[in-house]
Amino acid sequence: GESVGLHLPTLSVQEGDNSIINCAYSNSASDYFIWYKQESGKGPQFIIDIRSNMDKRQGQRVTVLLNKTVKHLSLQIAATQPGDSAVYFCAEKERETSGSRLTFGEGTQLTVNP
Amino acid sequence: EPEVTQTPSHQVTQMGQEVILRCVPISNHLYFYWYRQILGQKVEFLVSFYNNEISEKSEIFDDQFSVERPDGSNFTLKIRSTKLEDSAMYFCASSDPGLSWTEAFFGQGTRLTVV
Repeated sequence: GESVGLHLPTLSVQEGDNSIINCAYSNSASDYFIWYKQESGKGPQFIIDIRSNMDKRQGQRVTVLLNKTVKHLSLQIAATQPGDSAVYFCAEKERETSGSRLTFGEGTQLTVNP
Repeated sequence: EPEVTQTPSHQVTQMGQEVILRCVPISNHLYFYWYRQILGQKVEFLVSFYNNEISEKSEIFDDQFSVERPDGSNFTLKIRSTKLEDSAMYFCASSDPGLSWTEAFFGQGTRLTVV
């Protein structure tokens, strides 16, 4: 399943399928990007990050793709599990230093059906 | 695993009252932040704090808001005269400037309800 960024805030997939969550960012000066997962009633939890000098980074079951030309970020989750159900936010920083603000996107609600 | 802790988890206050939201950042972190999330909306930056002073603040962080590090472990957000529109989840976060990848760790949040 795949979301279309800000215009499709929900994504529903079957357990075991791959999920793709998209995010468009607007600040061309952003040089550091992060995906956060937020479960109901909890704070954002770091999933994976990527610097602007990279276009792909892989973690455990997750991959982040960055396309700076069109200012687009995506999160791919392989073999989606019920525990992956949450809201996913992309966030950006203008400079890769501690202390600079994170600017969050609108979020996508991922629902995984068993 | 070290974590950011926030108290209380839920605070109900009357409009015009002062509230203080409390946070204990991760012990070896030096940057501290407050963010808020109005129900159903995205997370918004309020303020960052380093070396006992504000390093950056957003347009939301007006004169009604203040932050303080009263001792070596706590980090507080004070809202002097709460308004209905201050109702939101408030998240504290902290980060370690020694890390080259500047991940911020978030607490569980305080739900503030202004009535």
